[in-house]
Amino acid sequence: AQSVTQLGSHVSVSEGALVLLRCNYSSSVPPYLFWYVQYPNQGLQLLLKYTTGATLVKGINGFEAEFKKSETSFHLTKPSAHMSDAAEYFCAVMDSSYKLIFGSGTRLLVRP
Amino acid sequence: DGGITQSPKYLFRKEGQNVTLSCEQNLNHDAMYWYRQDPGQGLRLIYYSQIVNDFQKGDIAEGYSVSREKKESFPLTVTSAQKNPTAFYLCASSIVGVRNTEAFFGQGTRLTVV
Repeated sequence: AQSVTQLGSHVSVSEGALVLLRCNYSSSVPPYLFWYVQYPNQGLQLLLKYTTGATLVKGINGFEAEFKKSETSFHLTKPSAHMSDAAEYFCAVMDSSYKLIFGSGTRLLVRP
Repeated sequence: DGGITQSPKYLFRKEGQNVTLSCEQNLNHDAMYWYRQDPGQGLRLIYYSQIVNDFQKGDIAEGYSVSREKKESFPLTVTSAQKNPTAFYLCASSIVGVRNTEAFFGQGTRLTVV
């Protein structure tokens, strides 16, 4: 069965600092991985996705994620945090039945 | 514009009542999903459907029911058997049979029991 684990329910950074949100996956088949962002009282918006090929995936709003098979990780990063990045972020894996399995989410707080 | 529309945005239910949440999509997607979101628990799958007139239970289907009579529509009924229905409900859709494609989400319905 596929699953994802997000380490840290809350992450706080200063504006301009590096953002690092952690995601580890478990999958018996080659994983298809996704990062979504959710602003308060809204739906989820896709940030980026990993399918196959290049291990460094670039997404919207300056975010990127690196797929590391040896570490079963797909951490999300952004070099410089902006106040508008404050939101909840979800890592997800597509299972063999084409359903998305989500992690528990990480709330990113950006301090001025 | 293509997308997913959920209605209403806010819904209040009295104890013992059934309520129905609407989800409509014009993306021509075969698959549709209902998730429940509670603080600190991420998104949990309630029901999903990959073809008209067919649907499967997800991880937390008890107290919920769905129908899929049209490709575009996947309404969710929260029945009186659901003991703790207060939550944020999200509907999503996607292409079937392609694992590298993302799901698209509606804006959600916040259900509160009063």
